[in-house]
Amino acid sequence: DIQMTQSPASLSASLGETVTIECRASEDIYNGLAWYQQKPGKSPQLLIYNANSLHTGVPSRFSGSGSGTQYSLKINSLQSEDVASYFCQQYYDYPFTFGSGTKLEIK
Amino acid sequence: EVKLVESGGGLVQPGRSLKLSCAASGFSFNDYWMGWVRQAPGKGLEWIGEINQDSSTINYTPSLKDKFTISRDNAQNTLYLQMSKLGSEDTAIYYCAREGVLQYFDYWGQGVMVTVSS
Repeated sequence: DIQMTQSPASLSASLGETVTIECRASEDIYNGLAWYQQKPGKSPQLLIYNANSLHTGVPSRFSGSGSGTQYSLKINSLQSEDVASYFCQQYYDYPFTFGSGTKLEIK
Repeated sequence: EVKLVESGGGLVQPGRSLKLSCAASGFSFNDYWMGWVRQAPGKGLEWIGEINQDSSTINYTPSLKDKFTISRDNAQNTLYLQMSKLGSEDTAIYYCAREGVLQYFDYWGQGVMVTVSS
């Protein structure tokens, strides 16, 4: 199985800041990577697919980048509504696997 | 509007079976792959498996392949997850989700809680 190592596990940042979450795959996943946001008590929502494509309706302050085994999610100009857990997922090879998540809080 | 509504969860005794349903609306159900993901309390997401449009291809995470069965009824716009030999480790929120053009999940249901306990 492809292991997805996500960091940091938790993150605290101020409103308006830029934050970056990283995901490292145990082998090349050829941009088969998605990012999801899960607000407390809610189901996950797709943010980014194919490593860098923004899902419909997602604010442009979210962006994804990376290639090979290293990927990142950047949130510009942090807003209070961005408080959530964020998960990466590889869908390049079966079984598809998720990162362990990053919990984002506001300072 | 894409809508996915899971049902069938609840409290079940260890060793028993349970079948979850996911009612889909707002899109052409028989045009999409569908999948299931679970999340144990306070934990991360675990991919369970997926099924293609005509049920000819079903993929599972290996550790659950002998316990869980994914199926669908395109006439009823419904996805199913049959779970057997349940143990405490299967206690989780179960989400159904639609797959996008590739196998990421572009829409998710609200989830249904399954608690395995005597």
